[in-house]
Amino acid sequence: AQSVSQHNHHVILSEAASLELGCNYSYGGTVNLFWYVQYPGQHLQLLLKYFSGDPLVKGIKGFEAEFIKSKFSFNLRKPSVQWSDTAEYFCAVIGNTDKLIFGTGTRLQVFP
Amino acid sequence: DGGITQSPKYLFRKEGQNVTLSCEQNLNHDAMYWYRQDPGQGLRLIYYSQIVNDFQKGDIAEGYSVSREKKESFPLTVTSAQKNPTAFYLCASSIEVWGEQFFGPGTRLTVL
Repeated sequence: AQSVSQHNHHVILSEAASLELGCNYSYGGTVNLFWYVQYPGQHLQLLLKYFSGDPLVKGIKGFEAEFIKSKFSFNLRKPSVQWSDTAEYFCAVIGNTDKLIFGTGTRLQVFP
Repeated sequence: DGGITQSPKYLFRKEGQNVTLSCEQNLNHDAMYWYRQDPGQGLRLIYYSQIVNDFQKGDIAEGYSVSREKKESFPLTVTSAQKNPTAFYLCASSIEVWGEQFFGPGTRLTVL
């Protein structure tokens, strides 16, 4: 069955540190990839998405993600985090099931 | 002001009672979805609807029911058959099925 893995369950960083959150998926065919963010007390919202084209995708708030097909990965990065980036981050994939499958999420805490 | 509304934000029910969660959207989206979010498990799909008067079971439909009589509305009923109903429920919509999804604020259901 198609699955999405986020191996970092809880990440703690200081402000200005660099961030990379891992996302791996199991399906080998054509995929659509997403990163969603859930700030405390707010709606789940889209950070960025990849459907085709340039595998390096820029999103909102300085986030980017790189699709590496050979590694089945879509890792999320930010060069310098801020306290306001404290949130839960979800990777999600649409593959052969034609359904959006979510990872288990990564909780990011950024300390000033 | 377009968006997705879910009410109420918090809901308490006694074990054995059915309860209906509301989801309304004014985005003119054809597709709507219900997810359940549990700590450490990410979002899991309960039901989805591609269009009015149509809906399909997701990965964890047992103990739940839905209706889609109007484009704007996709209520979810949590029945007494659901073994572990206490959770955070998220509704989403998209222009077309499995396109970019927009999420509501969620309803936290607690069954006592």
